[in-house]
Amino acid sequence: DAGVIQSPRHEVTEMGQEVTLRCKPISGHDYLFWYRQTMMRGLELLIYFNNNVPIDDSGMPEDRFSAKMPNASFSTLKIQPSEPRDSAVYFCASSPPDRFYEQFFGPGTRLTVL
Amino acid sequence: GIQVEQSPPDLILQEGANSTLRCNFSDSVNNLQWFHQNPWGQLINLFYIPSGTKQNGRLSATTVATERYSLLYISSSQTTDSGVYFCAAVNQFYFGTGTSLTVIP
Repeated sequence: DAGVIQSPRHEVTEMGQEVTLRCKPISGHDYLFWYRQTMMRGLELLIYFNNNVPIDDSGMPEDRFSAKMPNASFSTLKIQPSEPRDSAVYFCASSPPDRFYEQFFGPGTRLTVL
Repeated sequence: GIQVEQSPPDLILQEGANSTLRCNFSDSVNNLQWFHQNPWGQLINLFYIPSGTKQNGRLSATTVATERYSLLYISSSQTTDSGVYFCAAVNQFYFGTGTSLTVIP
């Protein structure tokens, strides 16, 4: 069974550009999480979904960030416009029904904003 | 929010040695979890351990919820154990800053 799939694995963009990160959760999982990891702030939850519905987006830094989950097998995290301080590794994770804590992480997308 | 402190911040071990990593919480938590991030960045669940003790091979974890701490034991360490170990109060999404472990052959 394939794990959580994220694309792209690396993204380099210039300040002001729109960035879209993609995630395919493990089939059958109904929780999906977006995290950001930086040296300064460590791991932070940005948003999580349950059954495609956003449950907690309090970690989304500002209006430049948006996340969607149009169906059970796909989610996007968009940054528009991007800024250098958005440079980080962005992880997507999913977990099975009734096992919220059993999170399986994707390989991450390393974003560099110049 | 809850403060999560991990100790030690860095640890270097000779292969075969044992180690204990600690996680302290400033307030009571539930759904405590341990993760390992390998040197290539991959995050892996190790234990979900709100209380009590669990073992998985050479790794075991103990949480004493009433005293607000958790311990991760690594026995007979191997080079593949290298990486950063995080504890987290998963329901509240509070992560520790991690213990960086390097196992030397």
